Amino acid sequence: DAEITQSPRHKITETGRQVTLACHQTWNHNNMFWYRQDLGHGLRLIHYSYGVHDTNKGEVSDGYSVSRSNTEDLPLTLESAASSQTSVYFCASSENVGQEQFFGPGTRLTVL
Amino acid sequence: RKEVEQDPGPFNVPEGATVAFNCTYSNSASQSFFWYRQDCRKEPKLLMSVYSSGNEDGRFTAQLNRASQYISLLIRDSKLSDSATYLCVVINDYKLSFGAGTTVTVRA
Repeated sequence: DAEITQSPRHKITETGRQVTLACHQTWNHNNMFWYRQDLGHGLRLIHYSYGVHDTNKGEVSDGYSVSRSNTEDLPLTLESAASSQTSVYFCASSENVGQEQFFGPGTRLTVL
Repeated sequence: RKEVEQDPGPFNVPEGATVAFNCTYSNSASQSFFWYRQDCRKEPKLLMSVYSSGNEDGRFTAQLNRASQYISLLIRDSKLSDSATYLCVVINDYKLSFGAGTTVTVRA
């Protein structure tokens, strides 16, 4: 069965370190998204991609970057982790833009 | 003003009860609407789309009121398994905006 996976599921890191969160989907979807979810907020879009080599900034992109070298993967990099980036991160993919998105299980990141 | 706003709840209801809640959105040009369900510490999953004429899926009924810019979700005959957070999703220019969620707890 097609699926979307994230790794690691939990990560503790220190302020200033570079961190990369992996997202891998086997749906063969062109569209992939990264969100963060914090208490009291809805999911907020960090970055998204509509295909290989395409990346776009979302509403909370500062301090994050992504790259899309193939259809299956969209890794999210925190260049220099900050305590404000402690959050739960969800990756998602969709077949068509603006339609149902399928989410990965999430990565819980703690920055100390 | 947030693009999508929801009453966070929690709505605590007994099994078998009916519970309903709304979600308001700020952009009158919004094109599509969804309800997602999120269980504690899990990923969101699509519950149902919301159509202009309203739609049902089993015990769940979704409605759209464009004039007042809100969508609603009604759950009939609540089950313990309906306990979750329900996220409202609004689409503008192909981008999804999520509400912060309404928490429903169904008690035995």
